[in-house]
Amino acid sequence: GAGVSQSPRYKVAKRGQDVALRCDPISGHVSLFWYQQALGQGPEFLTYFQNEAQLDKSGLPSDRFFAERPEGSVSTLKIQRTQQEDSAVYLCASSLVIGTDTQYFGPGTRLTVL
Amino acid sequence: DAKTTQPTSMDCAEGRAANLPCNHSTISGNEYVYWYRQIHSQGPQYIIHGLKNNETNEMASLIITEDRKSSTLILPHATLRDTAVYYCIVRFKAAGNKLTFGGGTRVLVKP
Repeated sequence: GAGVSQSPRYKVAKRGQDVALRCDPISGHVSLFWYQQALGQGPEFLTYFQNEAQLDKSGLPSDRFFAERPEGSVSTLKIQRTQQEDSAVYLCASSLVIGTDTQYFGPGTRLTVL
Repeated sequence: DAKTTQPTSMDCAEGRAANLPCNHSTISGNEYVYWYRQIHSQGPQYIIHGLKNNETNEMASLIITEDRKSSTLILPHATLRDTAVYYCIVRFKAAGNKLTFGGGTRVLVKP
């Protein structure tokens, strides 16, 4: 079956531009996570949704980062006024149902801010 | 979640077993040991997890010591496609519980 998909796969932005990154989780998956992975490092948690509710946004690095999942399926991570330090791979993961927590990851979006 | 310690890198020969160690001396009684791997330019991939008993699936085996302070992931017959960064993660098994990745072990399978 289809896995987690993310788009675009690559994004180049000029400093100060706004970007929107999309995640399509596996159909029926309740939980959705966003992670940020800097070059050469492990992924770091950004935020978590259970259906449409954003239950944990403790990892968002600044108020320039905003995530939403309005209908409990597709999610968008938005970064406003991008800065060079935002350059990273942004990973989305989903898991099936509450209490079952194997997270399935998408391929990521590589964001480069010039 | 408890902290884990893994070697930075290791090489192994194609066709041989690869044994990846992980120390988690501060693990609590209800925390599970999870392993994920990340092949270059891909998202992390779940491998296996366990609490106390040894576990085996189609990808790997997980051996957890009796005191649960360390574990070993075993890839029984490493192939070139197993070259990846392997992450050992200790966490409570709960919906919404994020994965906390450390540096992982960079495994290079050589022909």
